[in-house]
Amino acid sequence: ILNVEQSPQSLHVQEGDSTNFTCSFPSSNFYALHWYRWETAKSPEALFVMTLNGDEKKKGRISATLNTKEGYSYLYIKGSQPEDSATYLCAFPMNRDDKIIFGKGTRLHILP
Amino acid sequence: KAGVTQTPRYLIKTRGQQVTLSCSPISGHRSVSWYQQTPGQGLQFLFEYFSETQRNKGNFPGRFSGRQFSNSRSEMNVSTLELGDSALYLCASSLAGGLAYEQYFGPGTRLTVT
Repeated sequence: ILNVEQSPQSLHVQEGDSTNFTCSFPSSNFYALHWYRWETAKSPEALFVMTLNGDEKKKGRISATLNTKEGYSYLYIKGSQPEDSATYLCAFPMNRDDKIIFGKGTRLHILP
Repeated sequence: KAGVTQTPRYLIKTRGQQVTLSCSPISGHRSVSWYQQTPGQGLQFLFEYFSETQRNKGNFPGRFSGRQFSNSRSEMNVSTLELGDSALYLCASSLAGGLAYEQYFGPGTRLTVT
């Protein structure tokens, strides 16, 4: 059974602190990994698509790393702000012609 | 550039009926994917269309079907609705097929089956 696991499920972080969370995926036959941010009452927003082992991508205060050999990706948020409160999803397309599997997400709450 | 649009935004149907949802991708995007979001199962992939052809499919029964038109607009149809089909249905478009490109999501259609 193919599983994409995200941890932790939920996280409370003080405003201004940095944080990170994990997405684990099957390490064999890696194709790509997506990260999305999903705010309440909005649509999921693409953050990164990562395709190469060792990839590091950055968008403002958010960055992500990828280790395809061991099957994990980290998402980092530096200096958390209230607008970072959202659910962060990772998604793993099995290959070009197969389905994509989403993790259950990490729900991030930023405390003022 | 206009974003992904979905119609209708809300829908209430009765068990046994069928429903058709529509998705218009961002101009120039040729791939449209469909997803179902439920509290218990999270976000699940239904299928992807590219150049009017279904490229891949998730683990959903044959009651769920779709199609894509030459202008890349896509429709999803669910026949013989069941209570468990109540969900938020999202579509997403991307420049090309293969699920390795950034996907841009629409606002979703909230379907309630009674």
